[in-house]
Amino acid sequence: GAGVSQSPSNKVTEKGKDVELRCDPISGHTALYWYRQSLGQGLEFLIYFQGNSAPDKSGLPSDRFSAERTGGSVSTLTIQRTQQEDSAVYLCASSVRGGQGELFFGEGSRLTVL
Amino acid sequence: AQSVTQPDIHITVSEGASLELRCNYSYGATPYLFWYVQSPGQGLQLLLKYFSGDTLVQGIKGFEAEFKRSQSSFNLRKPSVHWSDAAEYFCAVVPSGGYQKVTFGTGTKLQVIP
Repeated sequence: GAGVSQSPSNKVTEKGKDVELRCDPISGHTALYWYRQSLGQGLEFLIYFQGNSAPDKSGLPSDRFSAERTGGSVSTLTIQRTQQEDSAVYLCASSVRGGQGELFFGEGSRLTVL
Repeated sequence: AQSVTQPDIHITVSEGASLELRCNYSYGATPYLFWYVQSPGQGLQLLLKYFSGDTLVQGIKGFEAEFKRSQSSFNLRKPSVHWSDAAEYFCAVVPSGGYQKVTFGTGTKLQVIP
């Protein structure tokens, strides 16, 4: 596609359920980032992929959070046993040259945990 | 620890007035520097970037930013603000060599009044 695509755009779930958020980056972009944006907060770094590898996953808040990337393309962020504090907008971005280039952002996935 | 600070959470300016948004960073060496804008209900878009060379960089929508090494700052400016500039602005930094994690500031929300 022409831009970074994220799905679902909105997800409402019950506390304790697992959720999967998907990111489809721009074709040819080797770097992929996940950020979390909570109300009134900035962009909190979660994880960075270069190809299928994750050189930095230091931002994942707990072991309930995991992410993978396959084929150097699509990435999935999984949150297990969701908690209310996980409610936020999860943003995905891709870049052709990692952090040295422009990040292209998706529209985000808004997660609400009841 | 590496960090980026945007001291102003919220700024209000009159349409036609000048604007300056502050960004300070704390890194061991000069990083790559970026400004992004997030308009209501939209994704983040790159305004401008600084890698090296001329310390005054021009961006889209009439914005410019000046890198000042002595002050570890990269402030965003616009001579005359338009109502459509109302948005949230994020400063971002990434180390200039090797590692590609992109760190964002907490953002400055700009309100433009007639």
